[in-house]
Amino acid sequence: QKEVEQDPGPLSVPEGAIVSLNCTYSNSAFQYFMWYRQYSRKGPELLMYTYSSGNKEDGRFTAQVDKSSKYISLFIRDSQPSDSATYLCAIGGAQKLVFGQGTRLTINP
Amino acid sequence: AAGVIQSPRHLIKEKRETATLKCYPIPRHDTVYWYQQGPGQDPQFLISFYEKMQSDKGSIPDRFSAQQFSDYHSELNMSSLELGDSALYFCASSSLTGQGTGELFFGEGSRLTVL
Repeated sequence: QKEVEQDPGPLSVPEGAIVSLNCTYSNSAFQYFMWYRQYSRKGPELLMYTYSSGNKEDGRFTAQVDKSSKYISLFIRDSQPSDSATYLCAIGGAQKLVFGQGTRLTINP
Repeated sequence: AAGVIQSPRHLIKEKRETATLKCYPIPRHDTVYWYQQGPGQDPQFLISFYEKMQSDKGSIPDRFSAQQFSDYHSELNMSSLELGDSALYFCASSSLTGQGTGELFFGEGSRLTVL
């Protein structure tokens, strides 16, 4: 079993829809929870970062962490075609980061 | 703002040759990570350095070695290249001391193609 599980999709939604991306993890020692966005042939770009349970909001993006269930989510409101990319969750402890498989998201105009 | 710089961006080698990738972290970042990403795969952790010392090791083949220099740049050396080494190699940096909170910031990657 992988340490971090993420549905690879692909996920296709119409413009303006709310998108929900999710990951589960197995190691309760993990302390940091991040979401990265990766466009084709580019390096992962940090979107959201949190280290506590609860919600963190940044513009149209909301990251949610539930440590008791070992479950994290990324919500995208008012999705735009420019949000089309692969979204990777990344969960880590001291000096170690484990990525999910990535979810390929397409927002259709 | 300065980002993580990787070079070369593209590299083509033949089997059994050697390749060296370079990474220049964000200024004042003390930790460098190397990741390998195959087509359609998530990034796989290879190795990391904190303050010029190896801090963690992942699925790095014995044919690969890396080091971090006094100016904090890092080099990944790959020898006896195999076809399966063809991938995107990402370097990331972070700051674990001072006000750093540990987020990783990635470079654009070096694409290695082994023929």
